[in-house]
Amino acid sequence: SQQGEEDPQALSIQEGENATMNCSYKTSINNLQWYRQNSGRGLVHLILIRSNEREKHSGRLRVTLDTSKKSSSLLITASRAADTASYFCATVSFSGNTPLVFGKGTRLSVIA
Amino acid sequence: EPEVTQTPSHQVTQMGQEVILRCVPISNHLYFYWYRQILGQKVEFLVSFYNNEISEKSEIFDDQFSVERPDGSNFTLKIRSTKLEDSAMYFCASSERPDYTEAFFGQGTRLTVV
Repeated sequence: SQQGEEDPQALSIQEGENATMNCSYKTSINNLQWYRQNSGRGLVHLILIRSNEREKHSGRLRVTLDTSKKSSSLLITASRAADTASYFCATVSFSGNTPLVFGKGTRLSVIA
Repeated sequence: EPEVTQTPSHQVTQMGQEVILRCVPISNHLYFYWYRQILGQKVEFLVSFYNNEISEKSEIFDDQFSVERPDGSNFTLKIRSTKLEDSAMYFCASSERPDYTEAFFGQGTRLTVV
């Protein structure tokens, strides 16, 4: 399957530090997306990176994509307590018309 | 900002009962989806819907499940005879395009089957 798998499963950092989460997948993709989920709440779309892109920025978020290694990373700079949440990567297959496939997520705790 | 809304936020039902989960997708979106997340597990795809018919479904989406767009705004997921293992958070999502470019998810309905 083309599951996205994040690591680490859990990450605990101090406020102000940077947080890096990684995602690996198995098959060719059209795009890869990162979502955030606060405890018991819905999924919020953070950023989408297409297969022909290598890096993308959005505010304090930086996403990289290495299609040769089938991996992506999400960097949150200058983290805040409000960034505490679970972060999921999700892939869309090369054909672009198959469902989003989510990983298990990384649980990020930012300690004030 | 437009959003996908889901009701109810929490539903408790007896095993064997039918439940209907409701969603109002974003108005100009054409593609609709249901996903579920069992507590502590991955978000799993259930079904996609376009042009008033199912375009894709997963193995989870068996004969106990059905979807409907009864009018121009609502999108529903029906579970005919609930089982304990159907307890999960159910998410509705919609997108303008079929390639999931920025799919918008609702806040979810937590279904508890007792």
